[in-house]
Amino acid sequence: GDSVTQMEGPVTLSEEAFLTINCTYTATGYPSLFWYVQYPGEGLQLLLKATKADDKGSNKGFEATYRKETTSFHLEKGSVQVSDSAVYFCALRGIINTGTASKLTFGTGTRLQVTL
Amino acid sequence: NAGVTQTPKFQVLKTGQSMTLQCAQDMNHEYMSWYRQDPGMGLRLIHYSVGAGITDQGEVPNGYNVSRSTTEDFPLRLLSAAPSQTSVYFCASSYGRWQEETQYFGPGTRLLVL
Repeated sequence: GDSVTQMEGPVTLSEEAFLTINCTYTATGYPSLFWYVQYPGEGLQLLLKATKADDKGSNKGFEATYRKETTSFHLEKGSVQVSDSAVYFCALRGIINTGTASKLTFGTGTRLQVTL
Repeated sequence: NAGVTQTPKFQVLKTGQSMTLQCAQDMNHEYMSWYRQDPGMGLRLIHYSVGAGITDQGEVPNGYNVSRSTTEDFPLRLLSAAPSQTSVYFCASSYGRWQEETQYFGPGTRLLVL
């Protein structure tokens, strides 16, 4: 079945540091890939997405490129801020085995802590 | 648009009690789903629906029932609560049922079963 593996946290960075959170996946077919962010006490918000190979998703300075050859979707940001402190989830949306719909499969999440 | 709304925000139950978690969306989305979030396990799919009157099981359906009588509402029922159902529950919806569609999440319901 589908699976998503993302780097263990917590990741602690100083403000303005470069961020990379690794994400790799296994899936059949042609899934879409997503990054969601969860701030303390809140639900999940879509951060960015890519629906086919070589697509780059971007939002709020974050970027990720859908790499089919390495089955990866690593999240990057050039200069993090304290306000970026949150839990980041990598996810793929792939076809359910009945073929009648699709579902999200999530990684376990990576906690990012940014300090001054 | 209110988006995806969930009630209650927090609930404490005793083992064996039943309850319904409410979920509603005002975006005319076809697809709705329920996930539970447990520490170190990400989110796991409980049940989903591709339209009014159509529901199906996800990865962890045992102990939960759903129904979809309208496009807007997708309640999740716990028939006889167990401590293993202590979790945070998220409802999500998307316009379509296929991979390229973005799912939008509600704020969650935190459930504690004693």
